This record gives sequence, C-alpha cells and structure tokens, in this order.
Amino acid sequence: DSGVTQTPKHLITATGQRVTLRCSPRSGDLSVYWYQQSLDQGLQFLIQYYNGEERAKGNILERFSAQQFPDLHSELNLSSLELGDSALYFCASSVEGTASSTDTQYFGPGTRLTVL
Amino acid sequence: AQKITQTQPGMFVQEKEAVTLDCTYDTSDQSYGLFWYKQPSSGEMIFLIYQGSYDEQNATEGRYSLNFQKARKSANLVISASQLGDSAMYFCAMREGRGYGGSQGNLIFGKGTKLSVKP
Repeated sequence: DSGVTQTPKHLITATGQRVTLRCSPRSGDLSVYWYQQSLDQGLQFLIQYYNGEERAKGNILERFSAQQFPDLHSELNLSSLELGDSALYFCASSVEGTASSTDTQYFGPGTRLTVL
Repeated sequence: AQKITQTQPGMFVQEKEAVTLDCTYDTSDQSYGLFWYKQPSSGEMIFLIYQGSYDEQNATEGRYSLNFQKARKSANLVISASQLGDSAMYFCAMREGRGYGGSQGNLIFGKGTKLSVKP
C-alpha cells in the first residue's frame, strides 16, 4: 500500500459525459501528479500540482482539468468524453515535487475509466 | 525522440534465477533521476528502486539492483532469485533535473517489459 488513495476504482460512462476522479496523496506529500496509461500511448504525464498551485502541464487535453484543494487532495475532471479517453488514470504524490531532489513518486491504485 | 527505451517487450525467466531488464535513456541534463516501477496484473504501480545521476554506486533494494552505466546511458534492472510473484510489467522512468526554481518533477516512462517467471 503506497498510501495514495484514488476513487473510484472503476468508472463506466458514455461518450459526451463528464467525470471526476479523486486522489488523496500520502500524508505529508505536497505534490500531486496525474498520469494516463493507455494501450497505444503508454504512460503519459498529464499535470502536476504543488501545494495547491499548478506547477507543470504535460499532454493534457483542453477537455481535461484538475485542481488541488487546501487539504491537498486533487481532482481530475474529464469532460466531453470520447472513446479514446478510456484508460487507467493514475495519481502519484511526492514530498517536494522538484526535480533537484531524490523525490520519489508513489502511485495510487488508479482509476480505470471505460467510455462506451 | 524517445527518451526512455526498453527494448525487451517480453522476457521469461526460470524461478530462482536472476534476470536483467534493459533500459537506455536520452538526456542532455547533467542532473537526472532514474526509477523502476513494477505493475502487476492488478494494475497498481509499485516503486522499486531509484538511481541519481550523481550517485557513484549502483542502487540496491533487496533483490533489486540497478546496473547504472552513465557513459552508455543505461540503467538496467537486475532481479536476483526470481519468484513467481515477480511476474509483472516493469517500467523504467526518468526525471530530468532543471534546477530548483520552476523545476518540473514529472516522470517520463518507457513502454515497459513484461516479465514472466516460470516455475
């Protein structure tokens, strides 16, 4: 158990819908990362938050957005869903969220999204 | 350009034997970190081992060790005494260092190697 929690574990929805994925980082971790894992694209970085502020963006679509709340939990919002959005979405957390430290990211169990 | 290359899509190893999973990387940064993660069929991503670019010794964590050859830009994972529970996907990842201010901490992953341990 990494200490990172994600809900829900599974999500099945229809095209055009909107969903929210939730992540709670490990106790003491200030940085949250979202990754998408799909068969064709592999593991891709979406977005990073550090202590409530957006720090970095990766290959995140405009239909997707995220935020980190004062209690440090984070939500990833996916809207106007398409079939191609079906994937495993991971949240990871680390203490500092900087590249200049030995800052290990610990992953949650993931949310498997299926868009029908 | 692909920054992390794992050339072995799948590998087999006999139980109790050692196995090496290959990983090469590409970066122009002097400061970077290399990570290995394990993903069992259940889906979670489990951190295994870390190697920093300035670390002079190869990292070890229990049965896992990292064969770090900086000049060759390779960071191979060695699993000793394989167990059936080691059957999983293994991902090599890199985090490039860009300095403290405004640094970005995300990981760049390879495509993974599927390891199957035979009894």
